[in-house]
Amino acid sequence: EPEVTQTPSHQVTQMGQEVILRCVPISNHLYFYWYRQILGQKVEFLVSFYNNEISEKSEIFDDQFSVERPDGSNFTLKIRSTKLEDSAMYFCASIGFGGLSSYEQYFGPGTRLTVT
Amino acid sequence: AQKITQTQPGMFVQEKEAVTLDCTYDTSDQSYGLFWYKQPSSGEMIFLIYQGSYDEQNATEGRYSLNFQKARKSANLVISASQLGDSAMYFCAVLGSYNTDKLIFGTGTRLQVFP
Repeated sequence: EPEVTQTPSHQVTQMGQEVILRCVPISNHLYFYWYRQILGQKVEFLVSFYNNEISEKSEIFDDQFSVERPDGSNFTLKIRSTKLEDSAMYFCASIGFGGLSSYEQYFGPGTRLTVT
Repeated sequence: AQKITQTQPGMFVQEKEAVTLDCTYDTSDQSYGLFWYKQPSSGEMIFLIYQGSYDEQNATEGRYSLNFQKARKSANLVISASQLGDSAMYFCAVLGSYNTDKLIFGTGTRLQVFP
């Protein structure tokens, strides 16, 4: 069965450092997402990406965040200068066609980011 | 704006019994989708079941069924014949935008199944 993969599974970084979280969505999917989940809290939408551009972003997704699909397979989330409050689990997700006809968002296993 | 409310922070159920996890939603969209995801202690998000707002039948997937009451704006998850492996966090979510398909999640319910 196709799956979304994410690397690394766990990243520890110092405050102020840049991190890049990587995702490989399912190969024929067109819509990509990043969500985050602070420990013990709900999953929050960060950004959606379609046709090589951001289609929607949340208030959390400020200038410190950026996304890219550099080579047609990887989908990355970059945090330019990490803060303690960026510590969270980051999930990548993808769907095939968009709209209610493709009802299942496939989530990756997540990257746990710890900022010290 | 869309919103999901899960009022049960924790639930206990005995193995082999059925359990209902509550979810109410608020959306101004005429057409929307409702989802349930399971998150075990390992952290991954596992899709369980989907209900479209125009689906006349309640969705079912194996031991999972969705008790959809549109007028009450509720989409409760029913797990029949609970198993120890069902112990996890359960999140209800609504499709937050028809154009971008972002999901808006509730705060979750922690289900503990005991022998």
